[in-house]
Amino acid sequence: NAGVTQTPKFRVLKTGQSMTLLCAQDMNHEYMYWYRQDPGMGLRLIHYSVGEGTTAKGEVPDGYNVSRLKKQNFLLGLESAAPSQTSVYFCASRLPRTGGNEQFFGPGTRLTVL
Amino acid sequence: ILNVEQSPQSLHVQEGDSTNFTCSFPSSNFYALHWYRWETAKSPEALFVMTLNGDEKKKGRISATLNTKEGYSYLYIKGSQPEDSATYLCAFTDRGSTLGRLYFGRGTQLTVWP
Repeated sequence: NAGVTQTPKFRVLKTGQSMTLLCAQDMNHEYMYWYRQDPGMGLRLIHYSVGEGTTAKGEVPDGYNVSRLKKQNFLLGLESAAPSQTSVYFCASRLPRTGGNEQFFGPGTRLTVL
Repeated sequence: ILNVEQSPQSLHVQEGDSTNFTCSFPSSNFYALHWYRWETAKSPEALFVMTLNGDEKKKGRISATLNTKEGYSYLYIKGSQPEDSATYLCAFTDRGSTLGRLYFGRGTQLTVWP
């Protein structure tokens, strides 16, 4: 199993450009999450999904959109990138909450917006 | 947004020292408490998931305890080694939490000097 993978690993954008981050998991997990990590802020939840075709907003959803067309994939889109979106983005997935299942994280995508 | 507090924010210890950190969370509607270990330039990895008051978990030199009635968990590292240097995150989920969302603390950054 590859676990949780993220594409790309690094990206530099200019202000106003758009891009999509791809998260894929091969563990048949229902729940998937997108977080951003900024110095001193810990992990902040952007959007999450509890199943194919469903998404919900997290703490910091503004400026991002997501889609979950297939169970194994969770896409994070930036329509018009801003320097404030410079961050490291982590995707995670887990089984439904029964038993308090752990989250599995991807390796992260480092995004710089100039 | 549920508040999860971790203390201290950072910790520097000598190799061989034992150390502990605290995670505080809301005591009502408790469901599960997670501990993650996050090394620099890597992604977080789950250490423990605890669901019952009084739970104690152990993995090698690392152990954790849980008090759901007063809303805290301790993570202990016995005989710290340089390879223990990492940020330790705790995350809380409650029974009212929308669809298994985890609320992360900002982490305790541990540095172990040889």
